[in-house]
This record gives sequence, structure tokens and C-alpha cells, in this order.
Amino acid sequence: DIQMTQSPSSLSASVGDRVTITCRASQSISNYLNWYQQKPGKAPKLLIYAGSSLQSGVPSRFSGSGSGTDFTLTISSLQPEDFATYSCQQSYSTPWTFGQGTKVEIK
Amino acid sequence: EVQLVQSGAEVKKPGESLKISCKGSGYSFSSYWIGWVRQMPGKGLEWMGIIYPGDSDTRYSPSFEGQVTISADKSINTAYLQWSSLKASDTAMYYCARHLYSPSQLHPSGTYNWFDPWGQGTLVTVSS
Repeated sequence: DIQMTQSPSSLSASVGDRVTITCRASQSISNYLNWYQQKPGKAPKLLIYAGSSLQSGVPSRFSGSGSGTDFTLTISSLQPEDFATYSCQQSYSTPWTFGQGTKVEIK
Repeated sequence: EVQLVQSGAEVKKPGESLKISCKGSGYSFSSYWIGWVRQMPGKGLEWMGIIYPGDSDTRYSPSFEGQVTISADKSINTAYLQWSSLKASDTAMYYCARHLYSPSQLHPSGTYNWFDPWGQGTLVTVSS
């Protein structure tokens, strides 16, 4: 199975900050990488698919980049509604696997 | 609006059986794969398997093969996840999600896969 490792596990940031979350795959997955946002008590929500494609309706402050083993989710200017847990998921090969999540908290 | 609505929370004892459901609306349910994902308390997401309601073709993650059964009834736009004998370690939130895919831009034989939208989740608690 491909292991997905996110860093950091959690971070504290202020509204307006630029936030970067990293996801590393245990082997090359090209750009077969998705990002999801999950708020407490809610279901995950798709943000980015295929490495950098923004899902319809997702604000443009979210962006994804990377290829191979190293990927990044960037929030250009953190908004109050962005405090949540973010998870990456590889779809290069089954079983599809997720990272452990990065919790973004208010500083 | 595309929507997946899951059945309500369940509290069961070890050894009992259980079947939870996921009803789709707002799209052609038979034409899209549905996936199931587990989230144990305080943990990350784990993909369990997917089913194509049109013909009930089912694929399981090796970690869940033999542990659960995924099924679907296209006549009522509903997918199911069931256990024949629950264990305490099955305590978790279970999500269904529509599986989408598209051809890779970089690899002729490659396919991008993702899940959208997700159901609201069904909390399963197994305790004696």
C-alpha cells in the first residue's frame, strides 16, 4: 500500500495568514492526489483533485501543487471558515489511501 | 443538487449484525460508483471499497475484504454496508461518497479518481 504522510499534524495560524500543508507519498504517484477539508462533526469536502484542479465552488484561495512524491496544499489568505482538518488522498493505485490529516487551528 | 443521505447512528453489541444505507438523489445513481470510507475515533480516513450500482460490480480494499459486504439496490438508489458479526473495533464513523474519475492528462492509460460529494456519515458504536 502507498503510505501518505502529512506535515505538520497541526498548526496554529491567524486570519489572513498564508498556510501551507505538505503531503508526501511513499512512492511516486505522479499527480494522482486529492485534497479534502473536514470540519468537526461534518463529512469531508473535496477541495482539489488531480493534484491541482480546483473543485467547482471552492474558493480560489485554495491551491494544490506537486508531482511525484511531494505535494502541497496552500491557502493564500486564511479565512475564519477555513479552520478545519485537511487530508490528502492518493488515487494512483488501490487501495486508495489518505494522509492522517492536518488540523488548522486559530492562533 | 447531488446528495447522499445516510441512515442514522447505530449502537450494537459485539457479534450482532448490521446494515447501514446511503441513498443518492439528484443524479443518475446507477451510473456512478459509490465508495465507503471509515473514520475511527480521532483517526484518519480509510477507503473500504466501491460499488457500481448499475451492475453491482464491487471492489474491496484488502484490509476490508471478508470483513464487510458492500451492496446496492439501484431500484431505490441506495447502497449498503453490512457486517455479519460486529466487533468493538468496528466502532467508527462510516461515510459513503460518490466516486468520480477522469482520464489522466499525463498518462494515456491512467485515471484520476476522487470522491464527491460525501454523505453525512453514520456513527456505528459497538459495545457490550
